Amino acid sequence: EPEVTQTPSHQVTQMGQEVILRCVPISNHLYFYWYRQILGQKVEFLVSFYNNEISEKSEIFDDQFSVERPDGSNFTLKIRSTKLEDSAMYFCASSTGTGYYEQYFGPGTRLTVT
Amino acid sequence: GQQVMQIPQYQHVQEGEDFTTYCNSSTTLSNIQWYKQRPGGHPVFLIQLVKSGEVKKQKRLTFQFGEAKKNSSLHITATQTTDVGTYFCAGRDSNYQLIWGAGTKLIIKP
Repeated sequence: EPEVTQTPSHQVTQMGQEVILRCVPISNHLYFYWYRQILGQKVEFLVSFYNNEISEKSEIFDDQFSVERPDGSNFTLKIRSTKLEDSAMYFCASSTGTGYYEQYFGPGTRLTVT
Repeated sequence: GQQVMQIPQYQHVQEGEDFTTYCNSSTTLSNIQWYKQRPGGHPVFLIQLVKSGEVKKQKRLTFQFGEAKKNSSLHITATQTTDVGTYFCAGRDSNYQLIWGAGTKLIIKP
């Protein structure tokens, strides 16, 4: 069964450094998402991406975040200057459509900022 | 912004007892989805409800969508250890953004 993959599984970085989290969505999916989950808390929407541009973003997704689909398979989340509060699990998800379509989540990348 | 309130935050049950989690929105939702996240895992889609008053069953799980499409519930009959995890509802608002509830953690008492 096709699945969303994410790398790395765990990333440790120092405050102020840039990180890039990588995702490979399911191949025939058209909509891509990033979510954040601080340990033990709710899943928080960051951004959705369709047709090579951001379709929606939340208040969390400020100027330090950016997303890109550099080629036909990868979908990346960049955090320019990490802060301690960026420590969380970051999930990538994809879906075939929007609105009434289920989202398939990847296993997540645990980001630890020290 | 719009919120989907989900209660309770935690529920401790003995194996074999029932479990229910509730979601409420202040505004009408176009649909609502339910996800399960096992400890240490990622959210996995369970089901989607679209119609007013809709009820769907998956074995021991019963999902309901309110008549006004503002609330939803998930009921598990006779819980088993495999049911352990956090159950999230996610409602889609008029802008088609998926608004997630805070989740209800199901804990089975030993």
